[in-house]
Amino acid sequence: EVQLVESGGGLIKPGRSLRLSCTTSGFTFGDYAISWFRQAPGKGLESVGFIRSKAYGETTEYAAPVKGRFTISREDSKSISYLQMDSLKSEDTAVYYCARQGMVDDYWGQGTLVTVSS
Amino acid sequence: DIQMTQSPSSLSAFVGDRVTIACRASQSISSYVNWYQQKPGKAPSLLIYAASTLQSGVPSRFSGSGSGADFTLTISGLQPEDSATYYCQQSFFPPHTFGQGTKVEI
Repeated sequence: EVQLVESGGGLIKPGRSLRLSCTTSGFTFGDYAISWFRQAPGKGLESVGFIRSKAYGETTEYAAPVKGRFTISREDSKSISYLQMDSLKSEDTAVYYCARQGMVDDYWGQGTLVTVSS
Repeated sequence: DIQMTQSPSSLSAFVGDRVTIACRASQSISSYVNWYQQKPGKAPSLLIYAASTLQSGVPSRFSGSGSGADFTLTISGLQPEDSATYYCQQSFFPPHTFGQGTKVEI
């Protein structure tokens, strides 16, 4: 069974950093890109970015609001992807989801809440 | 970024009705559109990908159509469990942007 589990969320002050993890199982992690999304309270879905597989150079893409502040990485030996979030702002408050990206983002985790507030 | 515009933003319908949700891209995106269902407090669930391919396990009352810039999600024979918010997403070019969502009430 394909599973993705996000962790690392919590309450954090503006300007600080936080790292989220996406721990996966049930599929060959190294064969897939991993996407990250977020959803602010009561709002719609927003793409954060994604990291391609090693076969595609582990290159990354980011949405404009997070480019230069967020970094997506992966550790294929552990089947884990990370979302490093620096210089956090109040507008980064959201539930953060990771997803397996094959042809499409077909399996999603349950999400982890990040609250940026002083 | 490619903008995805959904309409309507919400709708109310009855069990058994046929409902249609539209999604328009700001440029041609071939058939790189996916549809997700999201229920409150839950992660999105993939319904349709590549504009018209039904994800495994999704009931056949869900269907998708379109290509280029205009796409449609249709639910034929609405069921109580279909009460949710539906999102279109383009996967033609990163970032893979979403429409603003359509809330379906039954």
